[in-house]
Amino acid sequence: GAVVSQHPSRVICKSGTSVKIECRSLDFQATTMFWYRQFPKKSLMLMATSNEGSKATYEQGVEKDKFLINHASLTLSTLTVTSAHPEDSSFYICSASDYYEQYFGPGTRLTVT
Amino acid sequence: EDQVTQSPEALRLQEGESSSLNCSYTVSGLRGLFWYRQDPGKGPEFLFTLYSAGEEKEKERLKATLTKKESFLHITAPKPEDSATYLCAVPFAGGTSYGKLTFGQGTILTVHP
Repeated sequence: GAVVSQHPSRVICKSGTSVKIECRSLDFQATTMFWYRQFPKKSLMLMATSNEGSKATYEQGVEKDKFLINHASLTLSTLTVTSAHPEDSSFYICSASDYYEQYFGPGTRLTVT
Repeated sequence: EDQVTQSPEALRLQEGESSSLNCSYTVSGLRGLFWYRQDPGKGPEFLFTLYSAGEEKEKERLKATLTKKESFLHITAPKPEDSATYLCAVPFAGGTSYGKLTFGQGTILTVHP
């Protein structure tokens, strides 16, 4: 199956700083990537849809100025958590679609102290 | 509004004890139903996509089936390594099979040796 990578896998940052998470499709081109957030023992919550070369579409309730998404190429999307606070601590997962299936990255554990 | 409901929430099996997980859905025009496996601290791993009622797919000890209202994930003679959370998902209403997904809450499967 197709492979999606995320970097970093874990990050700890101080409150008020910004953190960037990268999502790459390694062996296919993804015109659409998705960013999810997952709380402990909960299912995935879609945050935004990212299309290459255009602005991301955010789900209701997701602050677009806090969660900046850039889809610079067909294989790379980035999520930047700006001015992070402890309540932003979570497990962030990206996915990429090849028009048939949707493949997920391994996730990034963000801890804001 | 699209809804995806999985049952049971948790399932404990003895090694070799076959069982089934259920995914009921209410969508206007199904454009695919996806099954994923998620291990703790990792992103979902793609298992199957089903597109039409009556379709079946198999992979090792897993078999997924689809009717007009629900999907089943049958696990035959499970092993401890099959322990994971199993998620089903369908595309958002009006969306494409490779677009935004609505996830069920998942079934936590534990297989005891």
